[in-house]
Amino acid sequence: QKEVEQNSGPLSVPEGAIASLNCTYSDRGSQSFFWYRQYSGKSPELIMFIYSNGDKEDGRFTAQLNKASQYVSLLIRDSQPSDSATYLCAGNTGRRALTFGSGTRLQVQP
Amino acid sequence: DTGVSQNPRHKITKRGQNVTFRCDPISEHNRLYWYRQTLGQGPEFLTYFQNEAQLEKSRLLSDRFSAERPKGSFSTLEIQRTEQGDSAMYLCAPDRESTDTQYFGPGTRLTVL
Repeated sequence: QKEVEQNSGPLSVPEGAIASLNCTYSDRGSQSFFWYRQYSGKSPELIMFIYSNGDKEDGRFTAQLNKASQYVSLLIRDSQPSDSATYLCAGNTGRRALTFGSGTRLQVQP
Repeated sequence: DTGVSQNPRHKITKRGQNVTFRCDPISEHNRLYWYRQTLGQGPEFLTYFQNEAQLEKSRLLSDRFSAERPKGSFSTLEIQRTEQGDSAMYLCAPDRESTDTQYFGPGTRLTVL
């Protein structure tokens, strides 16, 4: 079992809809979680991080963390075609280095 | 723009050759990480530095790999006797201590023929 798991997708949503991206992790000692966006051929770009249970909102993005269920999610409201990318979930699974999932590819249809 | 530069951006080499990559953060960051990413996968941790000290190395970092951060600012990653399996994007990520977050440079894409 991988330490951080994501559905590879693609997840397809229409423009203007809410995109929901999910991630589970196996190490209960994980403290903090990060969402990166990666366009094809580019390096990952940090868009959100969350340390505490609950929701954290930043613009159109909301990160949700449920440590009891070992579950992290990212909601993107009012999805735009420019949001089409691969979204990587990562956690500090007991060490400073990040452990990444394989990413979920999001396609926003105009 | 994360303020991190990596050079070269692309490197094509023949199997068995040595290659060296460089990472330059614009401002000083105490911690700096190296990751490797292959197609369809998330980045995988290779090693990290706290100032000049290399504090952790992944089991992915075979003895053909060596990394340095001589003055606690820029860092280099060398691969000796490259193999086709080394083909990947090599990413460095300085760490912003105020938020304990890592920001990736643009990466060096290595192709081993």
